[in-house]
Amino acid sequence: TQLLEQSPQFLSIQEGENLTVYCNSSSVFSSLQWYRQEPGEGPVLLVTVVTGGEVKKLKRLTFQFGDARKDSSLHITAAQPGDTGLYLCAGGGGGATNKLIFGTGTLLAVQP
Amino acid sequence: NAGVTQTPKFRILKIGQSMTLQCAQDMNHNYMYWYRQDPGMGLKLIYYSVGAGITDKGEVPNGYNVSRSTTEDFPLRLELAAPSQTSVYFCASSYQGASGRVTGELFFGEGSRLTVL
Repeated sequence: TQLLEQSPQFLSIQEGENLTVYCNSSSVFSSLQWYRQEPGEGPVLLVTVVTGGEVKKLKRLTFQFGDARKDSSLHITAAQPGDTGLYLCAGGGGGATNKLIFGTGTLLAVQP
Repeated sequence: NAGVTQTPKFRILKIGQSMTLQCAQDMNHNYMYWYRQDPGMGLKLIYYSVGAGITDKGEVPNGYNVSRSTTEDFPLRLELAAPSQTSVYFCASSYQGASGRVTGELFFGEGSRLTVL
């Protein structure tokens, strides 16, 4: 069974601080997606990475896919209260069904 | 454009009751999924469908059934509700082209919160 472990589980920081969320597995994935979920809503896609070592930037968010395609990280620079939410990584196996394995989630609270 | 619509948003069931969670999408997506989300456990795949008339089990299918008679609708049926089925249920859809693109974005509904007492 493929598992994706995220760390930390919870993170409470002050506005302006930097943070990194990790997503680790012993399995290889063909792609890795990051979603953000706000209370009472469904997850929304932030980014997809598909190449080992790939780095993508989305404004203050930087996403990296590990060289071996078993892990990923999300780094937020100068966090803002609007970044508050549940961050989920999801690994794709590359099959035709597009089934994703979701990580355990990281709950981020950014205090003003 | 409504995207993925789930009903009801909230429901309380007694043990042994049955119910259907409705899911509809208007994006002409061929792939649809049902996930459940428990605190600290991420999202677990219950069932999925790659097109009308085709369904398959995910990681946690026991106690659930699905059907896909049209491209738009993908209802999830709970036949004999149990407390272990207390959760938030999410329906999602994605588009998989003929080229076999495998990095498709999942579009989620707002969720249905189910409590079984």
